[in-house]
Amino acid sequence: EAGVTQFPSHSVIEKGQTVTLRCDPISGHDNLYWYRRVMGKEIKFLLHFVKESKQDESGMPNNRFLAERTGGTYSTLKVQPAELEDSGVYFCASSHNEGVDEQYFGPGTRLTVT
Amino acid sequence: LAKTTQPISMDSYEGQEVNITCSHNNIATNDYITWYQQFPSQGPRFIIQGYKTKVTNEVASLFIPADRKSSTLSLPRVSLSDTAVYYCLVGDQAGTALIFGKGTTLSVSS
Repeated sequence: EAGVTQFPSHSVIEKGQTVTLRCDPISGHDNLYWYRRVMGKEIKFLLHFVKESKQDESGMPNNRFLAERTGGTYSTLKVQPAELEDSGVYFCASSHNEGVDEQYFGPGTRLTVT
Repeated sequence: LAKTTQPISMDSYEGQEVNITCSHNNIATNDYITWYQQFPSQGPRFIIQGYKTKVTNEVASLFIPADRKSSTLSLPRVSLSDTAVYYCLVGDQAGTALIFGKGTTLSVSS
């Protein structure tokens, strides 16, 4: 079974540019999460999809971040325009069951905004 | 969600048993205790989960006392490849965000 994949693995952009991160969850997993860790900080939750619907987006930092999951399969996270403080590692995770269940994380996308 | 407290770092030698204790004084009745492991340049990986008493799998054991205000992750006979950050998380159900603390950085040397 393929794990959670993320693309790209690393992106370097200039302040003000736009970047789109992609996450492919494990097939059949309805739950998809985005997290990020900025330099020196803890991993923080951004948002949670159940299929194509946003279940919880309380962790999204501001309206420069837009997440989508059309069709309930892969998800994209767009940052527009990027700021220096957006630099960090963005993780995607997915899980299957309604009950207490582990989340499977992808390797992360390292975003560097210069 | 219950806040967790765990050591910032631990050092061990290969072959030793490592016990990492996590405090969660405000754990709620519905909360489970979950441990994740993270290697450099990788996402966190689920290790073990429990509600009370003891849980064991092929990787680790999790000890939870009756009051559930703490838990201990036990790694038997660690190897160099067990060097990682270990996170203790407390939460009530799936489909909710994981709340990560700073974790415990375990360094295993030969």
